[in-house]
Amino acid sequence: AQSVAQPEDQVNVAEGNPLTVKCTYSVSGNPYLFWYVQYPNRGLQFLLKYITGDNLVKGSYGFEAEFNKSQTSFHLKKPSALVSDSALYFCAVRDIEGSWGKLQFGAGTQVVVTP
Amino acid sequence: NAGVTQTPKFQVLKTGQSMTLQCAQDMNHEYMSWYRQDPGMGLRLIHYSVGAGITDQGEVPNGYNVSRSTTEDFPLRLLSAAPSQTSVYFCASRHQTYEQYFGPGTRLTVT
Repeated sequence: AQSVAQPEDQVNVAEGNPLTVKCTYSVSGNPYLFWYVQYPNRGLQFLLKYITGDNLVKGSYGFEAEFNKSQTSFHLKKPSALVSDSALYFCAVRDIEGSWGKLQFGAGTQVVVTP
Repeated sequence: NAGVTQTPKFQVLKTGQSMTLQCAQDMNHEYMSWYRQDPGMGLRLIHYSVGAGITDQGEVPNGYNVSRSTTEDFPLRLLSAAPSQTSVYFCASRHQTYEQYFGPGTRLTVT
């Protein structure tokens, strides 16, 4: 079985400060890991993914995420947050075994960036 | 490419009514899926398909049917709507190992 946890319902950060959104996962094998962002009344947009290779993954809009196998974490980071980064962020995981593995989403973390 | 499209954007149903949510993609993706999004619960998988003629149940399939007659289309049918099916529904598609692309969503209210 696979699962993903986002321990914070909401993260508040001032504009210009670093932003971190936490995610931990559990899979039986090696993971595929994803981050998505959802703006109000919109669908989910893909930000970045970890499949294999470098533990630091760079994605859209200046976001990056660090894969840590020993801590089973995949935290999303941005060095300097913008007000426009305010949105709902989802971490997702699926087992690398099998091409058609189902994606498991976390409950989401609301990010609020204040001016 | 239009990507993943969904219709309608909004729908209000009365308890017991049936309807079909439409989903289409023009990226020739094999894998398509339907999720529902409820506050504090993330996205939960309803049904998915790995190709035309092949469908399977996800986490919360009760009350919903799907079919996949073509690669492009993956409609979701509500057989007899219940208030518990009030939610936002998202369709998504992907190639085998790649990231999923999501449609804009359908906001459904059942009264």
